[in-house]
Amino acid sequence: AQKVTQAQTEISVVEKEDVTLDCVYETRDTTYYLFWYKQPPSGELVFLIRRNSFDEQNEISGRYSWNFQKSTSSFNFTITASQVVDSAVYFCALSGATSGGSYIPTFGRGTSLIVHP
Amino acid sequence: EPEVTQTPSHQVTQMGQEVILRCVPISNHLYFYWYRQILGQKVEFLVSFYNNEISEKSEIFDDQFSVERPDGSNFTLKIRSTKLEDSAMYFCASSGQGDGYTFGSGTRLTVV
Repeated sequence: AQKVTQAQTEISVVEKEDVTLDCVYETRDTTYYLFWYKQPPSGELVFLIRRNSFDEQNEISGRYSWNFQKSTSSFNFTITASQVVDSAVYFCALSGATSGGSYIPTFGRGTSLIVHP
Repeated sequence: EPEVTQTPSHQVTQMGQEVILRCVPISNHLYFYWYRQILGQKVEFLVSFYNNEISEKSEIFDDQFSVERPDGSNFTLKIRSTKLEDSAMYFCASSGQGDGYTFGSGTRLTVV
């Protein structure tokens, strides 16, 4: 069974602070994918990143960075110099191979990030 | 950039009525999915569809739900007799072989 835990329900920061969103996962699959999605107040799901389980390189994209550590089953997401527009709910998701051949993401409960001006 | 398109963006329906939510997946994708998100809660898997049949479904996807790919482009979710608790955001997604997912922007269903 797959499980994604986002222990932080809500984080509140002031603009320009750095913030890290935690994600811990459980899976028995040897091949799996990890994702982060952003859900702004408008409700859509915005894809941020996908990481293959064989690729433990950290990734940086502008103010966003991701730290994938297989040893601790974690895939944490850091926003540097946060901005008000970063305010959203952020979901971590995990997908492993299923018997049907597809990779179905299991989502965490999400972390609500509030960035104050 | 290719998109998954969902229509309508918001639908209001009376309890007991049938609704059809529509999705146009990315054209070269092979796997299609429906997810739902009750307000303020997590995103939950409903069903996956591949090669014109359901490949996986969750316990949420009971007999009141059905999916169909009526032509080469649309992928629909039908709820036969809506209940108040079906009020949620419904997301369609598609993926290619080994690709990541692309989600649509969702349909907000309100059952009154």
